[in-house]
Amino acid sequence: GQNIDQPTEMTATEGAIVQINCTYQTSGFNGLFWYQQHAGEAPTFLSYNVLDGLEEKGRFSSFLSRSKGYSYLLLKELQMKDSASYLCAVSRGGGYQKVTFGTGTKLQVIP
Amino acid sequence: DAGITQSPRHKVTETGTPVTLRCHQTENHRYMYWYRQDPGHGLRLIHYSYGVKDTDKGEVSDGYSVSRSKTEDFLLTLESATSSQTSVYFCAISGDWNTGELFFGEGSRLTVL
Repeated sequence: GQNIDQPTEMTATEGAIVQINCTYQTSGFNGLFWYQQHAGEAPTFLSYNVLDGLEEKGRFSSFLSRSKGYSYLLLKELQMKDSASYLCAVSRGGGYQKVTFGTGTKLQVIP
Repeated sequence: DAGITQSPRHKVTETGTPVTLRCHQTENHRYMYWYRQDPGHGLRLIHYSYGVKDTDKGEVSDGYSVSRSKTEDFLLTLESATSSQTSVYFCAISGDWNTGELFFGEGSRLTVL
């Protein structure tokens, strides 16, 4: 089975930094995704981590520790448009992709 | 943006009626997926396809069937809709199973009365 945990909601201030954590337990781990989903819209891809460490992409960074079953998404210089849900998802691979999503973290950015 | 469209975008139907949702892609991607999204559950995989006529079940496949007769189309059918199938349904595609980045359609909101 699989278990993916992330906080349900977070609030942060415009211009600040916020870290959204995700822990997982799964067999056959292949990699970990982060997706962004604005209310009423489709999820969009942010990052994919396969190896341990931090990957930076503009204001967003994603970290993975395979041994600890832990990842985080770091958002810097928060903007109002970053208010959205952030979905952690685990890929189990196995010949073709099988991706399982966490329930998502709803981030509210306040002025 | 990936060329992926879903139809219908909104549908209200009654319990016991059949419903078919269509996903159409113009990217020639091999893998196609149907997810449902419900509050408190996140996105859950219903069925997926890894080629024409090649499909398999996801974690919540009961009450759903799929078909893929062409690379570009993936149909999700509810043979007899129930109120528990009220949800937002997302189709997704991916072309590279190594990275597996999913491109999602706009979603189809289904209400079963």
